[in-house]
Amino acid sequence: DTAVSQTPKYLVTQMGNDKSIKCEQNLGHDTMYWYKQDSKKFLKIMFSYNNKELIINETVPNRFSPKSPDKAHLNLHINSLELGDSAVYFCASSMWDRGNQPQHFGDGTRLSIL
Amino acid sequence: AQTVTQSQPEMSVQEAETVTLSCTYDTSENNYYLFWYKQPPSRQMILVIRQEAYKQQNATENRFSVNFQKAAKSFSLKISDSQLGDTAMYFCAFTGSGTYKYIFGTGTRLKVLA
Repeated sequence: DTAVSQTPKYLVTQMGNDKSIKCEQNLGHDTMYWYKQDSKKFLKIMFSYNNKELIINETVPNRFSPKSPDKAHLNLHINSLELGDSAVYFCASSMWDRGNQPQHFGDGTRLSIL
Repeated sequence: AQTVTQSQPEMSVQEAETVTLSCTYDTSENNYYLFWYKQPPSRQMILVIRQEAYKQQNATENRFSVNFQKAAKSFSLKISDSQLGDTAMYFCAFTGSGTYKYIFGTGTRLKVLA
């Protein structure tokens, strides 16, 4: 009965490869997010979708492409991986109601670039 | 621009003692929402407590309570009767009313000592 689930939990790959991370939520939320947490634990928003519509697109290299096939899913595809992409990526979801609803997070995907 | 500042990178407390983590924020909005999240070594992000800015009463959740000072733009977290399981990174977060964006502080690493 996992609320927000991300796969895979760990991803180790070579520089230059393309990889995807998947996220699914079963909470009935209408808004989903991707965050990047760097080695210093700083959490930075990357993207957000509300009802499958992109609403937040922070300054992220265009090698990163999110896709939301429906309200319950938000995937992240990364092309041409670089060393600096090594981080933990968190998916989160919330029910948007003027911002007063907390976000629920997945367990994170640790991406390591060799 | 809205910002969230956590000025204590690391703190420690003896088991059963009380500890206060500080958080300040900057915004020109009058209505907004504040949250504290906990990230234990397991990497999960767990909501601890939330506060609506229009409510004067400080939020409490069991051993966790906040001291919300709207004029000072301060939102500190008090943990009473600290337990070993409270060892974690604690993040303060802000979101304005009507915005999808959550802004996180840089975190405070709390260690509870036996």
